[in-house]
Order: sequence, then structure tokens, then C-alpha cells
Amino acid sequence: DAGVTQSPTHLIKTRGQQVTLRCSPKSGHDTVSWYQQALGQGPQFIFQYYEEEERQRGNFPDRFSGHQFPNYSSELNVNALLLGDSALYLCASSSPVNTEAFFGQGTRLTVV
Amino acid sequence: AQSVTQPDIHITVSEGASLELRCNYSYGATPYLFWYVQSPGQGLQLLLKYFSGDTLVQGIKGFEAEFKRSQSSFNLRKPSVHWSDAAEYFCAVDYSGGYQKVTFGIGTKLQVIP
Repeated sequence: DAGVTQSPTHLIKTRGQQVTLRCSPKSGHDTVSWYQQALGQGPQFIFQYYEEEERQRGNFPDRFSGHQFPNYSSELNVNALLLGDSALYLCASSSPVNTEAFFGQGTRLTVV
Repeated sequence: AQSVTQPDIHITVSEGASLELRCNYSYGATPYLFWYVQSPGQGLQLLLKYFSGDTLVQGIKGFEAEFKRSQSSFNLRKPSVHWSDAAEYFCAVDYSGGYQKVTFGIGTKLQVIP
């Protein structure tokens, strides 16, 4: 079992650009959640996808959007990047029958 | 707003000493409670969780946590710390009824000295 996999591991973007991060959930999981972890902070919930729809959303602007595919993998898109978007972006997967979430290693995004 | 507080940002303990990391959650219906550990540059690993039942929860790596409703606390403990336990520890709460909308604390960074 490969667990939760995220790509890429590191990314550098310029302010104003757009970025797409990818996540493959753990086998058997159908729910994907995204978190932003700024340096020295705890992760903050961005949103969650289930059955290809956004089910829950945290306090993040519309510049943050996502998608879930039929195979349950997910993408996080961020438009009009700001310097403050620099962070570790974590993906977590879970299933309805198991309330435990498994986290990927994260994507380190640096906006310059 | 739902929140979780970890009052200790940084803790240093000697190898072999006991450890207690504090966590308090905002008052309300009992949430699902978690402790995660994060090593540098890594994702989060679940140490233990509490949903209901026995208030003393055993986790991996010799950790345990006790849920105290009267104090809105869920403190993490380990009787004897190993150098490999040096990492950052996050307390987390899920008020969404298990739908994994998780709120994390700011984290406690544990340093272990020989």
C-alpha cells in the first residue's frame, strides 16, 4: 500500500502565477482533505472532497479551488499566488467507515 | 469558534525522563480528539485518537493520552522519552462528527537531550 502520495514535493512559483498540486489517496479511501501549513504553524483546513464534490470548506479565499476525479485522486489549484501562500500543503485521505485521516508528505510551495 | 490550544511551544526533556504535552479544546460537545507527530520535512503521523469510551487512550510508540471532560483537556504522555521522539506534536480536534474537518493546534516542538 503506497499510502497517500503527493506531487510535486517541492515547487517554486512567482507571485501572480497559478499552481496545481496533486494527491492520490490511500487505497480504499474516497475522501480527500487539503491543509495549508505555514512555517511554525499547525495545519489549517482548506477544503474536503467527497464524491467529486466539495463537501466542506475552511476559511480560505476563492483563489483556492479543487477537484476530485472518479478514481478519488484530487487536485488543489491556487490562482494569483501571493507571497503569503508559501507553505507546506498537506493532503489527507479517509473513508466513511474509518474516521482516521492519513496524511501525505506534503508539497512545499515557495512563492517568490 | 472551535479551537485547540497547546500552551507549550517548545519543551526540552532529558532522554529517559517522562513527558506530558498539554492540549485544551474549546468548550462544547466532545469532539473527536487526536494527537499527531511531525518530523522535520515530513507529513503527519497519527499517534492516537479518542472518540468515546475509555478516557485513557493508548497509542503507538508508547504514547498515551487522557481525555478529561471537566478540564476540556487531552494531554499526551510518555513515561520514558527516547531521542527519536524529538519532533513536533500537534493536538487536533474534529467537531464535524467524524467528517475529518480537523482543527489543529499550533504544535509543541519537543527537544530531547542526552
